[in-house]
Amino acid sequence: DTEVTQTPKHLVMGMTNKKSLKCEQHMGHRAMYWYKQKAKKPPELMFVYSYEKLSINESVPSRFSPECPNSSLLNLHLHALQPEDSALYLCASSKREINEQFFGPGTRLTVL
Amino acid sequence: AQKITQTQPGMFVQEKEAVTLDCTYDTSDPSYGLFWYKQPSSGEMIFLIYQGSYDQQNATEGRYSLNFQKARKSANLVISASQLGDSAMYFCAMSAVYNQGGKLIFGQGTELSVKP
Repeated sequence: DTEVTQTPKHLVMGMTNKKSLKCEQHMGHRAMYWYKQKAKKPPELMFVYSYEKLSINESVPSRFSPECPNSSLLNLHLHALQPEDSALYLCASSKREINEQFFGPGTRLTVL
Repeated sequence: AQKITQTQPGMFVQEKEAVTLDCTYDTSDPSYGLFWYKQPSSGEMIFLIYQGSYDQQNATEGRYSLNFQKARKSANLVISASQLGDSAMYFCAMSAVYNQGGKLIFGQGTELSVKP
């Protein structure tokens, strides 16, 4: 299995909702990442987990809360988002932090 | 500071011709990796090719090759025999071990359009 899966593919939520994005990989990778991407822009790193511990938080607002329940799963919990948080959210994994990253198909999030 | 520069916001190429996408980088880290990713309109980032800073030979993967010129700090992507399916956004990225903790730094991207 050489892929990263993400659910849901699309998500529409109101500013008062709580939702979660899910990411899964079964490649035995020990580093996992969340990125936010706006149209026609490069991905922006949000969080890095290394060996299931949060190693990098790029000063992301607390309305985004990551969780790594085990080495294969990565969640991103969303609460009280703003319309400007609407974007493509990409998950990625790599063997270790310095190796090439493999990305999932992303979740297109719209905040109303 | 670590930086990736892609100076071509958009490019056109005729089908079956070769095309070069430019990428220059800046880092003081002696150990780093350079990556190219393709992002079609569907959104998924597809890993294409990797070049390590200590690799003596240029990386190749099928129709993709990376023209690595260390002294010039450039890592251009060459796509041979372009196909319609190559139309996408292409991102150059760098990961440096000591100064970035392995974080990927992306360039602004080049949008490639392949004409039939």
